[in-house]
Amino acid sequence: QKEVEQNSGPLSVPEGAIASLNCTYSDRVSQSFFWYRQYSGKSPELIMSIYSNGDKEDGRFTAQLNKASQYVSLLIRDSQPSDSATYLCAVRVRRDKIIFGKGTRLHILP
Amino acid sequence: DGGITQSPKYLFRKEGQNVTLSCEQNLNHDAMYWYRQDPGQGLRLIYYSQIVNDFQKGDIAEGYSVSREKKESFPLTVTSAQKNPTAFYLCASSSPGQGTSPLHFGNGTRLTVT
Repeated sequence: QKEVEQNSGPLSVPEGAIASLNCTYSDRVSQSFFWYRQYSGKSPELIMSIYSNGDKEDGRFTAQLNKASQYVSLLIRDSQPSDSATYLCAVRVRRDKIIFGKGTRLHILP
Repeated sequence: DGGITQSPKYLFRKEGQNVTLSCEQNLNHDAMYWYRQDPGQGLRLIYYSQIVNDFQKGDIAEGYSVSREKKESFPLTVTSAQKNPTAFYLCASSSPGQGTSPLHFGNGTRLTVT
């Protein structure tokens, strides 16, 4: 069974601080990794995609990938109350199959 | 604007009835997916299809059926055999020809069976 693991949280972070979200995956041949943000009752929206080892930055968001450790993370700098949501880690395990972790609930404290 | 349309937004059914959830996309994506989400849980894959007239079971296909007669459409039927059908159902699409392509989601259908 190919799995994606996330800490369910909630993760509480003060406003303005850095939020760090982590994800591990079991399928070593996975090539594409995605972070989605989901507000309560809404559908997920794509935050970041990452495919190569290292860091990828987009505004306040940085995705980090370490394929040797089968680990992908998302950093949110200068956290805002609007960042409070559930963050889903997704992994493309084959060209046409994408599986998700259970998500981490993030709460930004004003 | 291109996107994925799921209908209806809310659906109520009596236990023992089959129900079909609609998903239409105009993104010209080859691959389409159905996921189920229960409260406080992540997304679990029900079925997916890479091309017309072909589809594969996901991790929780029992009690569900799909068809892919057109590239734009991927309806999901929740049958009476599905023991716990009440959930939030999400349809998504992507371009599998590009291995890095992410999923694009519809707005979801919330199904309640009593």
